[in-house]
Amino acid sequence: QVQLQESGPGLVKPSETLSLTCAVSGYSISSGYYWGWIRQPPGKGLEWIGSIYHSGSTYYNPSLKSRVTISVDTSKNQFSLKLSSVTAADTAVYYCASLDSDWFDPWGQGTLVTVSS
Amino acid sequence: QSALTQPASVSGSPGQSITISCTGTSSDVGGYNYVSWYQQHPGKAPKLMIYDVSKRPSGVSNRFSGSKSGNTASLTISGLQAEDEADYYCCSYAGSSTYVFGTGTKVTVL
Repeated sequence: QVQLQESGPGLVKPSETLSLTCAVSGYSISSGYYWGWIRQPPGKGLEWIGSIYHSGSTYYNPSLKSRVTISVDTSKNQFSLKLSSVTAADTAVYYCASLDSDWFDPWGQGTLVTVSS
Repeated sequence: QSALTQPASVSGSPGQSITISCTGTSSDVGGYNYVSWYQQHPGKAPKLMIYDVSKRPSGVSNRFSGSKSGNTASLTISGLQAEDEADYYCCSYAGSSTYVFGTGTKVTVL
């Protein structure tokens, strides 16, 4: 079955760029599906960040659009998230997930990214 | 794009039924039959419980059911069990390939 695993630095300095990768196993990204990023600040709710189709078409949360870039690397069977000019408000657990039609399933285990100097 | 509104907490005794509401607008919940629900235990990733308003994925107990009326979707848990104690989030398609999550509801089994 499809499995996803996030990876990347757990600590990012304010004003720098957060970069995460989601490795997909059990399915070839180039075969289709959408893929998404969702985040959850400590003790708070879920927020959709954006999604990407295997062809590279991207869709972003309007509130983050100016700072977000999502890309896909079919050769490595992974997709990535870049969030620029981070502040403490971007501290969160970041999840990647498969977007099957209009629902997110499955999800990666999540990775905590802390923004601090 | 504002978060969908859910009650902060809902509680019930074992065996009882509870319902969690998820209120949006005609631009999201009311405009599409693309509402999903997720269960999240502490420290764990969310798990899909309901999709397309009322469909249950394979492996999810039939004690979980979903519905929608106008701009409000609902998740009902019947025969409440201790293992159902968790946070629950709704999510709706909001047009133009965008999505919005609910504020989340903490379910407590008394």
